[in-house]
Amino acid sequence: QSALTQPVSVSGSPGQSITISCTGTSSDVGAYNYVSWYQQHPGKAPKLMIYEVSNRPSGVSNRFSGSKSGNTASLTISGLQAEDEADYYCSSYTSSIVVFGGGTKLTVL
Amino acid sequence: EVQLVQSGAEVKKPGESLKISCKGSEYSFISYWIGWVRQMPGKGLEWMGIIYPGDSDTRYSPPFQGQVTISADKSISTAYLQWSSLKASDTAMYYCARCYDSHDAFDMWGQGTMVTVSS
Repeated sequence: QSALTQPVSVSGSPGQSITISCTGTSSDVGAYNYVSWYQQHPGKAPKLMIYEVSNRPSGVSNRFSGSKSGNTASLTISGLQAEDEADYYCSSYTSSIVVFGGGTKLTVL
Repeated sequence: EVQLVQSGAEVKKPGESLKISCKGSEYSFISYWIGWVRQMPGKGLEWMGIIYPGDSDTRYSPPFQGQVTISADKSISTAYLQWSSLKASDTAMYYCARCYDSHDAFDMWGQGTMVTVSS
């Protein structure tokens, strides 16, 4: 099971929208609606932002949204804020285990 | 407060054994899976494996199968990650996290345990 593929970095200005992609295969992202997204600030534990492709846990801003098409999932952050600058990881269930993406560093310019 | 509290940082020598812990509080420990995630210095997250404390059903990601042992003691709401012979390449931050079903997202994370293996 290989890691899911994410862009190494993305950037955007405050107020803009950005999208982070997460590409897998027909055995993971394409096979299950169990894609999650996590935010990790430096020195902190990850935080769940999106589960089951597009669901937001209680307390997560509605500026964060998720979607999936075929073998690629996406996280969109609208109305970028300085506090959104962090690393973002996708994950997907596959064959009894879970695999993470390599992570994407979001820079808010 | 509902939380996972991990044991403190460890500094060990290559070849030594180690067992780190993750204690759940203020929720039904046996009703959730506990997973372990590795993060090597400056690197991404890696899913290591997961255990269901209710019946000790355990699954491992292939790279970690045989390299570590995941266990749990439901009587004290604690999960463990264990090595029998550490290597320098085991140096990393290790997080525990819980999920309701084995395919679910991790909705709560521990604070992490830093393991340093150096001669």
